[in-house]
Amino acid sequence: DQQVKQNSPSLSVQEGRISILNCDYTNSMFDYFLWYKKYPAEGPTFLISISSIKDKNEDGRFTVFLNKSAKHLSLHIVPSQPGDSAVYFCAALTTSGTYKYIFGTGTRLKVLA
Amino acid sequence: DTGVSQNPRHKITKRGQNVTFRCDPISEHNRLYWYRQTLGQGPEFLTYFQNEAQLEKSRLLSDRFSAERPKGSFSTLEIQRTEQGDSAMYLCASSLPHRGLFNEKLFFGSGTQLSVL
Repeated sequence: DQQVKQNSPSLSVQEGRISILNCDYTNSMFDYFLWYKKYPAEGPTFLISISSIKDKNEDGRFTVFLNKSAKHLSLHIVPSQPGDSAVYFCAALTTSGTYKYIFGTGTRLKVLA
Repeated sequence: DTGVSQNPRHKITKRGQNVTFRCDPISEHNRLYWYRQTLGQGPEFLTYFQNEAQLEKSRLLSDRFSAERPKGSFSTLEIQRTEQGDSAMYLCASSLPHRGLFNEKLFFGSGTQLSVL
């Protein structure tokens, strides 16, 4: 039962253009969402998060959008840089519960110079 | 803040052997998590501690897996009678006590890569 899904295993984008990574979830109890970035042989590092009381959160080149009715969130990276090439995971949790983070399967982003 | 530390970084073992991994969380982080990641998959939840109490354990985890967090500090994850299917990256993460919705996040270590031959 995959509660958090990332349906695009990979994405290639030209440097300077926008990268859009998508994530869908099925559990309506999730009320907090995060994006993590992972390089090979390293642990995931936090990028940006959003609470279900908001529909957008922005931090520099990174913006996360949340559509609760569609149970969908997306990460926008503008402009994309070669150093952004990594695997991106979305995660979700229920803050009124046990704080168990559920991760998606990841999307490998490749930014072409 | 020295980050989450995991040891060893790599472990190669023969099928049937027992292995133990250690995780040292960021100091003052009262929550500690273990995840497992295989190629092409996202981190899969294994178990979670708040201080020394193990609050949840994945139903996917067989009885061969056990985790401890004595005194609410470092944690160990032991796998008994390892199988080839246990080969994966084992990730530890820690988190501060909940101090407001917008500060919630996990800090991950670099992981322990287990290879079972």
